[in-house]
Amino acid sequence: DTGVSQNPRHKITKRGQNVTFRCDPISEHNRLYWYRQTLGQGPEFLTYFQNEAQLEKSRLLSDRFSAERPKGSFSTLEIQRTEQGDSAMYLCASSLESSTDTQYFGPGTRLTVL
Amino acid sequence: QKEVEQNSGPLSVPEGAIASLNCTYSDRGSQSFFWYRQYSGKSPELIMFIYSNGDKEDGRFTAQLNKASQYVSLLIRDSQPSDSATYLCAVEGAGRRALTFGSGTRLQVQP
Repeated sequence: DTGVSQNPRHKITKRGQNVTFRCDPISEHNRLYWYRQTLGQGPEFLTYFQNEAQLEKSRLLSDRFSAERPKGSFSTLEIQRTEQGDSAMYLCASSLESSTDTQYFGPGTRLTVL
Repeated sequence: QKEVEQNSGPLSVPEGAIASLNCTYSDRGSQSFFWYRQYSGKSPELIMFIYSNGDKEDGRFTAQLNKASQYVSLLIRDSQPSDSATYLCAVEGAGRRALTFGSGTRLQVQP
């Protein structure tokens, strides 16, 4: 039984470059979430998928951010034209649609934009 | 007013004592409440969830919920140095799946 996995674990990029992160949820989980966390703050919700459908997006998710979950399994989060303010830990979580629906987090991808 | 508020701490307790962590939330329609533990540089790890008013116990941890007062707490009995971490309170609002997190309370357990 493997948990949520995320790749890469660390990414350093220059301002203006595009980056893409991948998340593989727990195998039987049909819900997948992306959050962003900066130092000293709790995670902030970005977007949520149920199977392949993107059902909720935060106002934080600007036009430069896009997320996909094409076959209802893994998901990708792309940030275009990165800015220094995008530097953060990007966390993926998954859950199984149920009465409890608890979210389990992956190890995160730490993005540094120079 | 933040949607989910926690005292940032640090909360310092001696080993073996009870640590009490508190959280208030603004959305009266919130349904589900979660406590996560986060070690420095790591991702959040689920400790407990609670849906109903009252207490819920799991080992050394007890979650308490009072929806009328919009208040959630986490008690850690027999605190250990390994409990030293940031504790995040998270709330699931009515009709939503997204969690809203507080900024966390840093707990320090002194040996």
